[in-house]
Amino acid sequence: GESVGLHLPTLSVQEGDNSIINCAYSNSASDYFIWYKQESGKGPQFIIDIRSNMDKRQGQRVTVLLNKTVKHLSLQIAATQPGDSAVYFCAETPAGTALIFGKGTTLSVSS
Amino acid sequence: NAGVTQTPKFRVLKTGQSMTLLCAQDMNHEYMYWYRQDPGMGLRLIHYSVGEGTTAKGEVPDGYNVSRLKKQNFLLGLESAAPSQTSVYFCASSYHRGNQPQHFGDGTRLSIL
Repeated sequence: GESVGLHLPTLSVQEGDNSIINCAYSNSASDYFIWYKQESGKGPQFIIDIRSNMDKRQGQRVTVLLNKTVKHLSLQIAATQPGDSAVYFCAETPAGTALIFGKGTTLSVSS
Repeated sequence: NAGVTQTPKFRVLKTGQSMTLLCAQDMNHEYMYWYRQDPGMGLRLIHYSVGEGTTAKGEVPDGYNVSRLKKQNFLLGLESAAPSQTSVYFCASSYHRGNQPQHFGDGTRLSIL
């Protein structure tokens, strides 16, 4: 069936390092992708999105890369900070339908 | 900026009891959604609404009902709560269904004994 998955359930980095969180999607018809950050006890918070006509999009300290050939999405966080510790979800929208969420990667940043 | 507000934040029910979760958004969004989040899993869509007076089923609708009487409010009802409905429930809203980010509330943690 349609699903969005993440390669690693957990990722541990040192403060100041760059973090890369990966996501594989299965639906070739997906044309919109989002990354969310979820802190403990909070709802998912929008980080960045990208449409299928783009390969890369940059925000403040974050970059999303989309590789449609291998159906892979990644979130890069520059100079990771303790406040970046959270669960990160990718989500896809197959051709304008509802968002489908992956299971999440827990990012732990140690100082 | 309130955004999406969910009430209550916590609730404990006994099996068979009923309750209603309230979601309110002040962003004038057309679309609203109810999700549940279980440990080790992503969010799963229960029901959604594309506008005032309309509702539709999502991925896991059984055991839930919804109503959208006003554009800014989306209610999720459990008529006869079951332990399998113990979860964290999130409401979200967006301008459109696809190709737009959804904005989430901070959730309702529901335990059913």
